[in-house]
Amino acid sequence: QVQLVQSGAEVKKPGSSVKVSCKASGGTFSSYAISWVRQAPGQGLEWMGRIIPILGIANYAQKFQGRVTITADKSTSTAYMELSSLRSEDTAVYYCARDGDYEYWGQGTLVTVSS
Amino acid sequence: QTVVTQEPSLTVSPGGTVTLTCASSTGAVTSGYYPNWFQQKPGQAPRALIYSTSNKHSWTPARFSGSLLGGKAALTLSGVQPEDEAEYYCLLYYGGAQPWVFGGGTKLTVL
Repeated sequence: QVQLVQSGAEVKKPGSSVKVSCKASGGTFSSYAISWVRQAPGQGLEWMGRIIPILGIANYAQKFQGRVTITADKSTSTAYMELSSLRSEDTAVYYCARDGDYEYWGQGTLVTVSS
Repeated sequence: QTVVTQEPSLTVSPGGTVTLTCASSTGAVTSGYYPNWFQQKPGQAPRALIYSTSNKHSWTPARFSGSLLGGKAALTLSGVQPEDEAEYYCLLYYGGAQPWVFGGGTKLTVL
């Protein structure tokens, strides 16, 4: 049984960066990819990118290219999503999920961007 | 840019049957797109229902089924229950640099 636990809510200023963590327990961390999905208030789900820990390879949605960096620390079974140059439109709940069947999701992390 | 299209909203009566679809701007959806379906209720995280076109998770009620229909991925609810009222999202796999794309979601009303 895989469990994904995310870091807590963040409030950030426009132009700054945020780094959200996603710690996995159960299963074998390196054997699956972790995706990041966000949902702005009242909006749909948006796939942002993913990391394949065993390869250290990340893919990103075109929309976020250059602003998002997804990494993984195999020693702590933790994936990270860092989003830079934050703007108010980045206010959203950010989720991590096991890639592929998306069976397991983190609880979500609210990131609020406000001056 | 790839666009995945779902019906914005659908209404179904309790006990009825409804089919939600998921189309790709690149052409017909096949099993190679590994369609996933999710249910989301207000204030809750998405919950996975279907993966790889038609495979159910252990918690997926039997009344939900996934398929390919007329070049689209489809989610059919048979014998709809009031608790099925929710937003439903599909997710398609494209591989390459941007592997996954979500549809815009379908708001299902049970009335």
